[in-house]
Amino acid sequence: DIMMTQSPDSLAVSLGARATIHCKSSQSVFHSSTTTHHLAWYQQKAGQPPKLLIYGASTRESGVPDRFSGSGSGTDFSLTISSLQAEDVSVYYCQQYYSLPRTFGQGTKVEIK
Amino acid sequence: QVQLEQSGAEVRKPGASVKVSCKTSGYTFTDYHVHWVRQAPGQGLDYMGCINAKDGATHYAQNFRGRVTITSDASVSTAYMELTSLRSDDTALYYCVRETWFYGDWGQGTLVTVSS
Repeated sequence: DIMMTQSPDSLAVSLGARATIHCKSSQSVFHSSTTTHHLAWYQQKAGQPPKLLIYGASTRESGVPDRFSGSGSGTDFSLTISSLQAEDVSVYYCQQYYSLPRTFGQGTKVEIK
Repeated sequence: QVQLEQSGAEVRKPGASVKVSCKTSGYTFTDYHVHWVRQAPGQGLDYMGCINAKDGATHYAQNFRGRVTITSDASVSTAYMELTSLRSDDTALYYCVRETWFYGDWGQGTLVTVSS
């Protein structure tokens, strides 16, 4: 199984400031058939199912604000919120979809400082 | 639009079984896999298993193998997840997801409470 490790576990950021979450996979998730990294990011607000933000490590899902961006390659990835808004308070998860079983990071809780 | 409508909350005693349904609409059911993900209270997301809705082939996570069975019925565009020998630590929200490599469409979740 591919292990996904996120850091930090929680993050408190001032409104308008940048927030960055890191995700490391235990092996490469680059898929030769799609020539993309099979790495996704999800946002989960309290009482709701997770929502897809980013796939292919850096492609924003339709409708996701452009303050959210994903980057990285190989085994190291990051999600950046360029200017934190109040509605971004959530738990964020990375996930590899390179192989079964699908595996998630443990989650990073983002709060307002 | 794609929708996944899950069955309602369930309460079971330890040792019992539960079967959760996931009725889909807005897409061709047999073109996609349906995955099941569990989230215990205050915890993260755990993959349980999946089914190829076209041919019924399944994959189960090691942690659930032997206790979980995922099935589907293409005639009603519905997937099912049955979990047996329930324990108190099976108390969780259970989500079905339409898989398009990643997880773009989620059900609303079904709360299963295991309590004596």
